Amino acid sequence: QKEVEQDPGPLSVPEGAIVSLNCTYSNSAFQYFMWYRQYSRKGPELLMYTYSSGNKEDGRFTAQVDKSSKYISLFIRDSQPSDSATYLCAMKRENQAGTALIFGKGTTLSVSS
Amino acid sequence: KAGVTQTPRYLIKTRGQQVTLSCSPISGHRSVSWYQQTPGQGLQFLFEYFSETQRNKGNFPGRFSGRQFSNSRSEMNVSTLELGDSALYLCASKHAFGGSDTQYFGPGTRLTVL
Repeated sequence: QKEVEQDPGPLSVPEGAIVSLNCTYSNSAFQYFMWYRQYSRKGPELLMYTYSSGNKEDGRFTAQVDKSSKYISLFIRDSQPSDSATYLCAMKRENQAGTALIFGKGTTLSVSS
Repeated sequence: KAGVTQTPRYLIKTRGQQVTLSCSPISGHRSVSWYQQTPGQGLQFLFEYFSETQRNKGNFPGRFSGRQFSNSRSEMNVSTLELGDSALYLCASKHAFGGSDTQYFGPGTRLTVL
């Protein structure tokens, strides 16, 4: 079982729809959870950063973390064609050797106008 | 403030050759991490450097190596290239080692091995 699982999609929605993106994970030691957005031929850019369980809202984006279920979500309200991209969940693994981000494989989202 | 820069952006090599990729972190950032991104495996951690020392390493063969210079710039080297090394290589920087600092990614170097 991979440490982080993410449905690759693709996910196609009409403009204005609410989008739900999800990841599950197996390592209960994860404390920091992130969502990155990656446009074609670009590097990932950080969208949301959450520590431990709970919700975090930033404009049209809401990140949720449920540590008891080992499940994280990203909601996009009023989706726009400019939201079309690959969304990657990531979790920070920390140990004596240092830190590393463990990524899901990404979900490709297409928002049509 | 300028972002993370990576050079070259595109590279084509043949099997058996070696390649060196370069990364300049955001000014003031001292930690540099490298990742490999492929369609099959997604984004995978290669290694992290801080203060010119490798602090953490992912599960990649010894053909993958790196170094960091005193100005925090980093290079990654892949020797004896294999077809499976074709990927987008991403560099990410952050201010410090460990902690809650977030990483900022560069645009990547697209390596194609023929």
